[in-house]
Amino acid sequence: EDQVTQSPEALRLQEGESSSLNCSYTVSGLRGLFWYRQDPGKGPEFLFTLYSAGEEKEKERLKATLTKKESFLHITAPKPEDSATYLCAVPNYYGGSQGNLIFGKGTKLSVKP
Amino acid sequence: ETGVTQSPTHLIKTRGQQVTLRCSSQSGHNTVSWYQQALGQGPQFIFQYYREEENGRGNFPPRFSGLQFPNYSSELNVNALELDDSALYLCASSGGLAGANVLTFGAGSRLTVL
Repeated sequence: EDQVTQSPEALRLQEGESSSLNCSYTVSGLRGLFWYRQDPGKGPEFLFTLYSAGEEKEKERLKATLTKKESFLHITAPKPEDSATYLCAVPNYYGGSQGNLIFGKGTKLSVKP
Repeated sequence: ETGVTQSPTHLIKTRGQQVTLRCSSQSGHNTVSWYQQALGQGPQFIFQYYREEENGRGNFPPRFSGLQFPNYSSELNVNALELDDSALYLCASSGGLAGANVLTFGAGSRLTVL
């Protein structure tokens, strides 16, 4: 059964303190790994898609990387506005339809000024 | 470009009642997926609609059903509500240039079952 596990569950950082979030996955056939950001009271917002080991994507203070077993979301010099829950997801190999994603539980990031 | 809109934003029901949630997809998207997100959990796939037909279903019982209309909007219906159905219900559309797995989510409908 395909699974996605995220760690840590929660992370508290001081403004400017860089860190990384982890997403490990076990899937029958990786067809992409997705990162989303979710603010309180809102739906998830798409950040990145990674398709192959070694691939990297960047957006402002965020950089996502992918290996054969896990993905990292690196946050460099975070600001309070980066506070959110970060979700990773993979397509359900047995789902039979695109758009059927398996999500992890997320990492709740809090950045204090 | 309009985003995904959902209604109602909040609602309270009692056990055994029925509920209908509505979703308007983003302009240019032809596929709608519904997810259930319990508190502290990631979203869980319920089902997907494409060309007005169910096109994939997660591990949810038949009392969860849906519709898609010719304008690509969609409804999620839940019958015989149970306490565990309390959750945030998210609608997501896809099918634009970004690809079928890049989902654009609405803000969700928060359902509380008493």
